[in-house]
Amino acid sequence: GDSVTQMEGPVTLSEEAFLTINCTYTATGYPSLFWYVQYPGEGLQLLLKATKADDKGSNKGFEATYRKETTSFHLEKGSVQVSDSAVYFCALGPQAGTALIFGKGTTLSVSS
Amino acid sequence: DGGITQSPKYLFRKEGQNVTLSCEQNLNHDAMYWYRQDPGQGLRLIYYSQIVNDFQKGDIAEGYSVSREKKESFPLTVTSAQKNPTAFYLCASTHTSGPRNSPLHFGNGTRLTVT
Repeated sequence: GDSVTQMEGPVTLSEEAFLTINCTYTATGYPSLFWYVQYPGEGLQLLLKATKADDKGSNKGFEATYRKETTSFHLEKGSVQVSDSAVYFCALGPQAGTALIFGKGTTLSVSS
Repeated sequence: DGGITQSPKYLFRKEGQNVTLSCEQNLNHDAMYWYRQDPGQGLRLIYYSQIVNDFQKGDIAEGYSVSREKKESFPLTVTSAQKNPTAFYLCASTHTSGPRNSPLHFGNGTRLTVT
C-alpha cells in the first residue's frame, strides 16, 4: 500500500543553519504531497503542499519539490530560526483515497 | 474565529472504563477524522466520516467507536477493548473535496492516560 518514510530525528541545528528533512514515498497513481508542522502542545497545521510532479510548495521560507523520478519531497529552509522548533510531518494524499497518510514525524530543535 | 475544539485537553481513566473524547468544529466542514499519535509512530488513522450518519474504519479502528449525528460533532469512544489506549488523540476536519485539495484543520488534541 501507499506509505511515507521520513528521516528520523531529532534534528538539532543552530540558528541560521540550513535545514533538510528527507521524505520519500511509495504510491500508486499520482498522489498529492504535503508537509505539516506541529508546534509544542498543538495540533498539526499545513505548511506547504504540491499536487503534481515538479511542483514546488513554499511557505514561511520553507520549500519542497515534488520529484516523481526519485519519489521524494524533501523539506528545506535556508536559515532556520528558534521559532521553527517543532515536529514536521510529511504526508501523502493518495490519488484514490480520502484520508492522508502521514510519516512518523521529525523533531527539529533550533538553538540560539 | 472558526476552528476545531477538542475537550478535555487531559483525560485520566482507570483500565476497563470506556471514555469519550469530544470533537466539535464550526468550519462547516463535511469530512472529519480521528488520528492517534504515539512517540515514534507518527499519526495513525482511527476513523473518518465524510458525511453525517456515515463513517469508515481507518487503519487502527479496533477498540474504538464513533458517531456522526451532527455535522459539527464527531466524538470518539475509547472502549475497554482497546489494549493500549494511552496516547495523544487528534481530531481533524476538511471540506468535502478532501484533504488532497483542502487543508486538514486539526484540534489541539486530547492526551488520554489509562492506568
